[in-house]
Amino acid sequence: SQELEQSPQSLIVQEGKNLTINCTSSKTLYGLYWYKQKYGEGLIFLMMLQKGGEEKSHEKITAKLDEKKQQSSLHITASQPSHAGIYLCGADMSSGSARQLTFGSGTQLTVLP
Amino acid sequence: GAVVSQHPSRVICKSGTSVKIECRSLDFQATTMFWYRQFPKQSLMLMATSNEGSKATYEQGVEKDKFLINHASLTLSTLTVTSAHPEDSSFYICSASLAGVNYEQYFGPGTRLTVT
Repeated sequence: SQELEQSPQSLIVQEGKNLTINCTSSKTLYGLYWYKQKYGEGLIFLMMLQKGGEEKSHEKITAKLDEKKQQSSLHITASQPSHAGIYLCGADMSSGSARQLTFGSGTQLTVLP
Repeated sequence: GAVVSQHPSRVICKSGTSVKIECRSLDFQATTMFWYRQFPKQSLMLMATSNEGSKATYEQGVEKDKFLINHASLTLSTLTVTSAHPEDSSFYICSASLAGVNYEQYFGPGTRLTVT
């Protein structure tokens, strides 16, 4: 079973609608990263969360990490076609100095104009 | 933010040949670099962790003799796919980690390898 569960796998929304992507782990996370990727391209860093209950926002994207540091959500408000892409959560599950990331399976977001 | 480059962005090679992919941190020194592999419509899978001046640590199931990693300096890591086979065709992405409290990772743009 995957250490990091991401849902939904794909999402199609109408422009202007809000949406939420979830990332869940059975283990406590030392850090949770959200990335956006366009198919065949590199990853664009969105946000990093480390503290339980932490919430960060950038433009219309908000990410939260729950108090137990096992679940994170990414919320997009008033979606636009430019938000389309693959969203990946990556989690740091170790306390060592080298931060290896375990990735979720990704969420393919399509925003219809 | 920190910039990581990869070269080449695309490469096509014949079966049996070797191909080298470079990963460079352009404006910072990366004590650790990571190599990932991504199949179409799938997530990233960590292949190996590379620390400058030492041998890379490979994930289970990744052949170290097939995927040679060299991290000769704090700004350059290379991945060499030796004796490539069509099943090695994939998207390879590197990331570089800044030393510090957060150890944030910055990703390269990826290299599309096609083995014919």
